[in-house]
Amino acid sequence: SYDLTQPPSMSVSPGQTASMTCSGDKLGSQFVCWYQQKPGQSPLMVMYQNTKRPSGIPERFSGTKSGNTATLTISGTQSMDEADYYCQAWDSSIALFGGGTKLTVL
Amino acid sequence: QVQLQESGPGLVKPSQTVSLTCTVSGASLSGGAVYWSWVRQHPGRGLEWIGHIFYSGNTQYNPSLESRVVISVDTSKNQFALKLNSVTAADTAVYYCARIFGGYDYDQLLYYYYMDVWGKGTTVTVSS
Repeated sequence: SYDLTQPPSMSVSPGQTASMTCSGDKLGSQFVCWYQQKPGQSPLMVMYQNTKRPSGIPERFSGTKSGNTATLTISGTQSMDEADYYCQAWDSSIALFGGGTKLTVL
Repeated sequence: QVQLQESGPGLVKPSQTVSLTCTVSGASLSGGAVYWSWVRQHPGRGLEWIGHIFYSGNTQYNPSLESRVVISVDTSKNQFALKLNSVTAADTAVYYCARIFGGYDYDQLLYYYYMDVWGKGTTVTVSS
């Protein structure tokens, strides 16, 4: 299998745009999902099939993918968006997770 | 509304087998292109996929854990289970069960799978 690489951390000011990346050798031929996890909570899917937002996820969350890099963007970031974000893809039938990006809103 | 609930012993001794159960409500285990998975998270670390099962019993495991893991399904109880044997302190983690929803995207000509529903997680501590 291959690795999914995410920056360990990033920070953004409230109201600004946060863009976090996920790269992997085979992502170009795979769909990517993104999960948000707040302290003490289970993961919550915020993006699937690269660009689709589940019901109930705010419109400020968007996803893109270009080649082997997927990007999750949060526009107008709010303090409630402070969390760990994990990308996830598949290699054959094996689920892969990125190491996660800790988003700090300050 | 689909809900998943993990249950199992919080404390397990080294070298023993930990057995966890995930009870599914609001959906049938045998409904559609759905798989049922286990994911764990070591303290302060990221997510690690353990494996998943289809209601028919077909399984797929993380190669790094495959020799110690068995995932099974009980459709009569609408539950699926995880057994992890020969545990060590390195298996101390929060264990989540999650539903994997799948399908085929005819525009992208690709299969898709995503974990759309998660349980709250159960903590397993391996200690003597």
